[in-house]
Formats: sequence, structure tokens, C-alpha cells
Amino acid sequence: DVKVTQSSRYLVKRTGEKVFLECVQDMDHENMFWYRQDPGLGLRLIYFSYDVKMKEKGDIPEGYSVSREKKERFSLILESASTNQTSMYLCASLPGQGGEGWNTEAFFGQGTRLTVV
Amino acid sequence: TQLLEQSPQFLSIQEGENLTVYCNSSSVFSSLQWYRQEPGEGPVLLVTVVTGGEVKKLKRLTFQFGDARKDSSLHITAAQTGDTGLYLCAGGNQFYFGTGTSLTVIP
Repeated sequence: DVKVTQSSRYLVKRTGEKVFLECVQDMDHENMFWYRQDPGLGLRLIYFSYDVKMKEKGDIPEGYSVSREKKERFSLILESASTNQTSMYLCASLPGQGGEGWNTEAFFGQGTRLTVV
Repeated sequence: TQLLEQSPQFLSIQEGENLTVYCNSSSVFSSLQWYRQEPGEGPVLLVTVVTGGEVKKLKRLTFQFGDARKDSSLHITAAQTGDTGLYLCAGGNQFYFGTGTSLTVIP
């Protein structure tokens, strides 16, 4: 059974803190994504990675960075958390090489609900 | 600006009724995916449509991809309480997700 695991279901952090959200997949997928989900806006792509140590910006990368040191792990970092980063964060992994061949299923973690106070 | 707009945003219907959810864009996509998300869980894939004009059926769910590959619809026949959830369309190799339709089916 395929699995994408996010390290925390709920997090509460203070403004200005550095926050790490961890995601691990056990499917040997090349591609991993980080989204944030807000009511009425759907999912918005923050960053994605198509290989170890590779990263690409999505639609809303400002205030975030990522790290992919190992194939199975993709970390999202909030350098200095702000209240407008309060959201649900979803990690996903996707098989296959990059480009047009990604018409396959994305497997999602259960999400991390982050509250910044 | 959202690349993929879904309508309606909220839908509350009685069990047994039919419904249609729409996903529209001004951009052409090589494929579109439909996902369902239940509270506290990540989205789960329902279907991928690839060919313009394609119709796919999954039990009581019918998915259609527009001829111009800019829009898609999801039709549910005889809705059940288990259909309750957030329905999301996605395109562009899942770089872009729709705004979502929250469906509640009342017993």
C-alpha cells in the first residue's frame, strides 16, 4: 500500500519562528510536491522537486524554501513564520520522469494544519 | 487569479438527487484529473481524462473532458451520503488545482 507520511497533523508556531514540515514517501517516486490549501482557493503549488537535490518554484514560493537530500524525503521550510502562512499544507509524490509524462496519480499525505500565532 | 475555476463552490443536496460540478479554464490542458478529499485526509484520485470529448464512467460518477480540453464536468447520479466531500479538478501535470466544490449529501 502506497504511503506518503507527513510528520505532524497539527502544529502551532509563533510569528518569526523557523518551521520545518517533513514529508516521507515509500514509493520510490522521483517527484514530490508541496501545496497549501485554503478555503475557496483550492490547492496552490509552493515548490516541487523532480530529483534529489533538485527543486523548482511553484506558484507561491515566497516565504518558503525546500530541501530534498534523499529521494524519499521532501522538507518544506518556513524561514520566519507569519500569520498569513496559517494554512493546511499537503505533500504529494508522483511517479515518472518530469515533463509531459505526469498524467498519473499524485499520492497525498494527510496534511499538516499549521497555525501561526 | 485561479487557472482552474470550479462551480459551484458549495452544494448541498438530498440523497438520491443528481448533480453536476464544473471545472473551467481559459487554458488548454493535456489532461485533467478529478480528486475527492474527505475531512482530515489528503485528496484521492478519482479519474484522469486525456482526450478531448472523452467520457469516463466510474459507477455513478460520469466525467467529461471538453472537446477543446479547457473544461471538464463531473456528474453524480443518485447521490449517496458517502459522496460527501471536497471535489477538486487538477491540470497541468497537477501543478494547478481548481478552487474546489464542497458537496454535502443529506440523508
